[in-house]
Amino acid sequence: AQSVSQHNHHVILSEAASLELGCNYSYGGTVNLFWYVQYPGQHLQLLLKYFSGDPLVKGIKGFEAEFIKSKFSFNLRKPSVQWSDTAEYFCAVNAVLTDSWGKLQFGAGTQVVVTP
Amino acid sequence: EPEVTQTPSHQVTQMGQEVILRCVPISNHLYFYWYRQILGQKVEFLVSFYNNEISEKSEIFDDQFSVERPDGSNFTLKIRSTKLEDSAMYFCASILRRDSYTGELFFGEGSRLTVL
Repeated sequence: AQSVSQHNHHVILSEAASLELGCNYSYGGTVNLFWYVQYPGQHLQLLLKYFSGDPLVKGIKGFEAEFIKSKFSFNLRKPSVQWSDTAEYFCAVNAVLTDSWGKLQFGAGTQVVVTP
Repeated sequence: EPEVTQTPSHQVTQMGQEVILRCVPISNHLYFYWYRQILGQKVEFLVSFYNNEISEKSEIFDDQFSVERPDGSNFTLKIRSTKLEDSAMYFCASILRRDSYTGELFFGEGSRLTVL
């Protein structure tokens, strides 16, 4: 069965620091990849997605992610975080041949706390 | 911005009771989903629904669970006889169409179910 791993469960960093959150998946076929964010008390929101094409995708709020097929990875980055980036971040994968559209396998999430 | 709304935000129930969680997907969306997240665990796919029938369901979605769209706007998840292990946050989501341009999953804020 496919799985999605997020390397860090909890990250604490200061404002203006750079952020990188790791995500690896186990499925060998074609995948659609997503990063979602959940701010405290709010719903899951799409940060960015990758379906095909340029493996470096830019999302909202200054986030970007790079798909490295050979490493089965889709790491999320932001060069300079703000206090408002405090949230939980989820990596998710849709395995194109086996999962129907909208059926996502989620990672366990990474809680990011940005201190002033 | 259109959004998926869910009610109730929190429900406490006794084991063995029936529970109905309600969702109003975005009005022109065609595909509907339920996910759940047990505390401390991953967000898991439960079921997808299209054209008034279930398109896919996970192993979790056993005979105790059912979904329906009774009136063209609400999308409900019913748990017939709740167990302690059904305690979780339940997320509803919807998609306009299944393509890379409009196939973004929009999530609701979740309904927290606590079974005592």
